[in-house]
Amino acid sequence: QVQLVQSGAEVKKSGASVKVSCKASGYTFTGYFIHWVRQAPGQGLEWMGWINPKSGGTYYTQIFQGRLTMTRDTSISTAYMELSWLRSDDTAVYYCARDTGSGDYVLDYWGQGTLVTVSS
Amino acid sequence: QSALTQSPSASGSPGQSITISCTGTSSDVGAYNFVSWYQQHPGKAPKLMIFEVNKRPSGVPDRFSGSKSGNTAFLTVSGLQAEDEADYYCSSYAGNKNFVFGSGTKVTVL
Repeated sequence: QVQLVQSGAEVKKSGASVKVSCKASGYTFTGYFIHWVRQAPGQGLEWMGWINPKSGGTYYTQIFQGRLTMTRDTSISTAYMELSWLRSDDTAVYYCARDTGSGDYVLDYWGQGTLVTVSS
Repeated sequence: QSALTQSPSASGSPGQSITISCTGTSSDVGAYNFVSWYQQHPGKAPKLMIFEVNKRPSGVPDRFSGSKSGNTAFLTVSGLQAEDEADYYCSSYAGNKNFVFGSGTKVTVL
C-alpha cells in the first residue's frame, strides 16, 4: 500500500534551517510528483510547491522563493524539504503529499506531518 | 495567490444534508475543472474526498458529492454522520503551475 512516512518533530532557532524528509513506499517513487503543504497552528492549509522525483525539477510558490529547497534521493525513495532563514511564523506542521499524476494537482496520499517549531 | 474563500463553519443534524461553498476567481476555480476537496480530522493529515469537481476516489462514500458553478465550487454531504465532523478544504489549480487551497470550513454534526 502507498505510504509516505515523514521525519520527526523539530525545534529550531530563528534564522536556522530545517530539513524534513518524506520516505515513499508502495509505488514507483519516480512516477509521481511530491508536493509540500504546511499548516500553522489553528490555521488552514498553505501550498508550498512540488518536486518531480524523476527529473529533480521543482516549483516553489512565490512567497518561499529564495528560502525553500526541495530535493530527492531516488535510491532511497525519499523527498526532502529544506526551509532556511526560519522565522517564528514558520512554526507549522509540514506535510508531503503525492500527486496522482493527472496534471491537475490532486493529492491522493499524505504523510503524517512533521511539526516544526521555531523559537527566538 | 490568495486563498479561496470558504464560510468558516457549517452544521447539521445527523441524517441531514449540508453544502459548503468555495469561491475563487476566473483565474482558478472558474478557469479549470481542477477543484478538489479534502477532509481533515483534528491532528490528522488531510484526506482526499473529491477531485476534478465531482469525482470520488475509491473508498469515499457516495454521500459526498461535488459541483461547480462559475467561480464557486460546492461540496455536499448527504445523510450527515457523526464521523463527518471535521474541517473541509477546497483546492484549485490556478494556472502557471500555481495551486491554492481554500480557507477551510469547520463542519459540526449537532
